[in-house]
Amino acid sequence: QSALTQPASVSGSPGQSITISCTGTSSDVGGYNSVSWFQQHPGKVPKLMIFEVTNRPSGVSNRFSGSKSGNTASLTISGLQAEDEADYYCTSYTSSSVWVFGGGTKVTVL
Amino acid sequence: EVQLVESGGGLVQPGGSLRLSCVGSGFTFSSYWMHWVRQAPGQGLVWVSRINGDGRTTSYADSVKGRFTISKDTARNTLYLQMNSLRDEDSAVYYCTRGPRDGSGNYYPGDNWGQGSLVTVSS
Repeated sequence: QSALTQPASVSGSPGQSITISCTGTSSDVGGYNSVSWFQQHPGKVPKLMIFEVTNRPSGVSNRFSGSKSGNTASLTISGLQAEDEADYYCTSYTSSSVWVFGGGTKVTVL
Repeated sequence: EVQLVESGGGLVQPGGSLRLSCVGSGFTFSSYWMHWVRQAPGQGLVWVSRINGDGRTTSYADSVKGRFTISKDTARNTLYLQMNSLRDEDSAVYYCTRGPRDGSGNYYPGDNWGQGSLVTVSS
């Protein structure tokens, strides 16, 4: 049950696009489409942004999109805004029938 | 409106026990899998455990297996996490989250979250 690998930080200027990667193995990210992404602002509860690799819950901006290739899932934020500055976490179902989170990525809007 | 309200956190000595509760409302509690996720101060999210709708199927992270027990009382719409043999590294905010089913048939954590319950393990 090793944590998924995410970059510690990603930054971009307002209006730009950024992509956060989430790398696992064939036993988790690569083996299942059950990959989700969460946004967490300081002191706040995590918010679901993407589920099942590409699906956005109702109310989540279409500036957020998800994808997967092999053992790596990605979250792309387009048209970066100041309010997007937060921590982002991926999670995946695993072959051990448990879930595993990534270590988190801090997004900074320059 | 879906609501999840945790309680039961507090300060406990190493080796001690604590039981967290999470009351759900605004949805059919018995139809949903539920998860516990924790977050140590300044650290990332860590999945802890999950339980199916009727409470008969459970899974645990290796770090808590044998020490923590997840359960649910569908009549009371309440999820529990019994934590025994607590260690310093178990100190964290514990969140209960609802686990809806995705198209792949897996019940993913986190379409709704409680506000969290702080557990501090310290002598």
